[in-house]
Amino acid sequence: DAGITQSPRHKVTETGTPVTLRCHQTENHRYMYWYRQDPGHGLRLIHYSYGVKDTDKGEVSDGYSVSRSKTEDFLLTLESATSSQTSVYFCAISEGQGNTIYFGEGSWLTVV
Amino acid sequence: DAKTTQPPSMDCAEGRAANLPCNHSTISGNEYVYWYRQIHSQGPQYIIHGLKNNETNEMASLIITEDRKSSTLILPHATLRDTAVYYCIVRGNTGRRALTFGSGTRLQVQP
Repeated sequence: DAGITQSPRHKVTETGTPVTLRCHQTENHRYMYWYRQDPGHGLRLIHYSYGVKDTDKGEVSDGYSVSRSKTEDFLLTLESATSSQTSVYFCAISEGQGNTIYFGEGSWLTVV
Repeated sequence: DAKTTQPPSMDCAEGRAANLPCNHSTISGNEYVYWYRQIHSQGPQYIIHGLKNNETNEMASLIITEDRKSSTLILPHATLRDTAVYYCIVRGNTGRRALTFGSGTRLQVQP
């Protein structure tokens, strides 16, 4: 298994509160990604990073921000959580832009 | 990236080969075909990928047609643990390209 750790794995939070999900990798891979998955849907890309301090938006980036200050950590922040952000969040990594992408085990977030 | 079309669901008997088709008629020359699967709510698991030649690894075989417009993932001896949603994804090898997931095929392996 790729060395990817997501934390927390499960979280319940209230509407309007800030939430940060962390993705930590031990592979020294350059690319990191955040996806979300909702019931009955495939995974959708939120944000990705192609290096330290280099990030870009995916298809569902509204309401989310990211930061990458170290190669090994990619943080996803919900500044003010809403019920529509209740989802399973997956982090992924790849060594290079054309290399295979490997996924973490997911973080279950419930916004009440 | 090219769009893919997969059947929404398939059944397979345990011990038999599972053949999962994927259509990607708009694929371009530098795009690879990737297969992932997702068991229950776990993270997607990489299975195999290829450009134009058939590929085989310890998990599966990938057969790509000569015109590259379709492919088939073969699980040679399906087990109950292979029950999952299988995603066929076409992805270029240049640019900062993530994976674009469709709805996949839900494979149910029957005892």
